[in-house]
Amino acid sequence: AQSVTQPDIHITVSEGASLELRCNYSYGATPYLFWYVQSPGQGLQLLLKYFSGDTLVQGIKGFEAEFKRSQSSFNLRKPSVHWSDAAEYFCAVGSGGGADGLTFGKGTHLIIQP
Amino acid sequence: SQTIHQWPATLVQPVGSPLSLECTVEGTSNPNLYWYRQAAGRGLQLLFYSVGIGQISSEVPQNLSASRPQDRQFILSSKKLLLSDSGFYLCAWSPGSGNTIYFGEGSWLTVV
Repeated sequence: AQSVTQPDIHITVSEGASLELRCNYSYGATPYLFWYVQSPGQGLQLLLKYFSGDTLVQGIKGFEAEFKRSQSSFNLRKPSVHWSDAAEYFCAVGSGGGADGLTFGKGTHLIIQP
Repeated sequence: SQTIHQWPATLVQPVGSPLSLECTVEGTSNPNLYWYRQAAGRGLQLLFYSVGIGQISSEVPQNLSASRPQDRQFILSSKKLLLSDSGFYLCAWSPGSGNTIYFGEGSWLTVV
């Protein structure tokens, strides 16, 4: 069965500093990988996704993520965070062939210090 | 463009009362539909998914049920709510298997 681990429950970053959120997955074949962001009381918004091809993918709001098969990782990065980036971030993995949705990590809560 | 709507946005219900959360998708046909639940600090749990009218798959046995009476309508129900049913419920859709999933704005359910 597939699984996703986000090792950091909370991360605090100063505004303007760089950010990296970690995500490790477990899946037997080539996974479909996603990052979503959730503001308080809101639904999840897709930031970016990886299906195949270039392992460095660009997303919205200045985010990027890199797929590293050897490390089973799909870490999310941003060179300079803004106060509006404070939110919950979820990594997810999909099988690519099944209808049964995605498997999500438990999320990382990002706090931005002024 | 495609949009997804779910309602009500907020619901406070007594223990033992029934539940009905509704979700509709516009701008697409034959989507895969999903109900997720998000409990505080516990990530997202897939409850039900559907690949077509009347086709419902349950991921977690519990006192909730789902129905898909129309192609773009997905309903989450319960006959008798439990305190443990409290949480944030998210409806979602995808264009087909293996595709990106898009979420609605969510419904807060508090069972008292």
